[in-house]
Amino acid sequence: NAGVTQTPKFQVLKTGQSMTLQCAQDMNHEYMSWYRQDPGMGLRLIHYSVGAGITDQGEVPNGYNVSRSTTEDFPLRLLSAAPSQTSVYFCASSPIHYRGREYFGPGTRLTVL
Amino acid sequence: GIQVEQSPPDLILQEGANSTLRCNFSDSVNNLQWFHQNPWGQLINLFYIPSGTKQNGRLSATTVATERYSLLYISSSQTTDSGVYFCAVGAGANSKLTFGKGITLSVRP
Repeated sequence: NAGVTQTPKFQVLKTGQSMTLQCAQDMNHEYMSWYRQDPGMGLRLIHYSVGAGITDQGEVPNGYNVSRSTTEDFPLRLLSAAPSQTSVYFCASSPIHYRGREYFGPGTRLTVL
Repeated sequence: GIQVEQSPPDLILQEGANSTLRCNFSDSVNNLQWFHQNPWGQLINLFYIPSGTKQNGRLSATTVATERYSLLYISSSQTTDSGVYFCAVGAGANSKLTFGKGITLSVRP
């Protein structure tokens, strides 16, 4: 089991560029989510999904899009990067969310210049 | 939304000491988890504990849901326990997690 994997590990973008952060899990978990971590702020939920074809917004969704076409994959798209999106991004998954542990990927460190 | 407060914000221990980390939350929850973020940034799930008491080696956790708090106990601390400890809570059917700001623990040899 690879668990939750994320690519890339590091990325530098210029303002206005777009990109997709990849997330995959091989544990057949229904629930997947994206968080961003900023200094002194803890982790904040961006978007989440309770199964293929179902997504919803979290606390800080603006500037990000997600889709869930398969159980395994949950990509996060930045449409037009801004310096305020400089952060560390974590993807997570869990079996049935309100009953189960959340497992995190290794994170992607994104810098927007 | 649910508010989560963790205390103390920072903690410095000598190796071998014991410690208690606290998490207070503002509403009823059906999901509470403790995480350790190591110095390399990896987040590790320590406990899923919406109520009751659990133990795993030198770590144990207790959640008193009726009084809206949870405690994480670390006994005989080791330098590898250093890092940031997060409490996260959720409520409702989808139980989206809300994280506290974390407790930074430094264990000195």
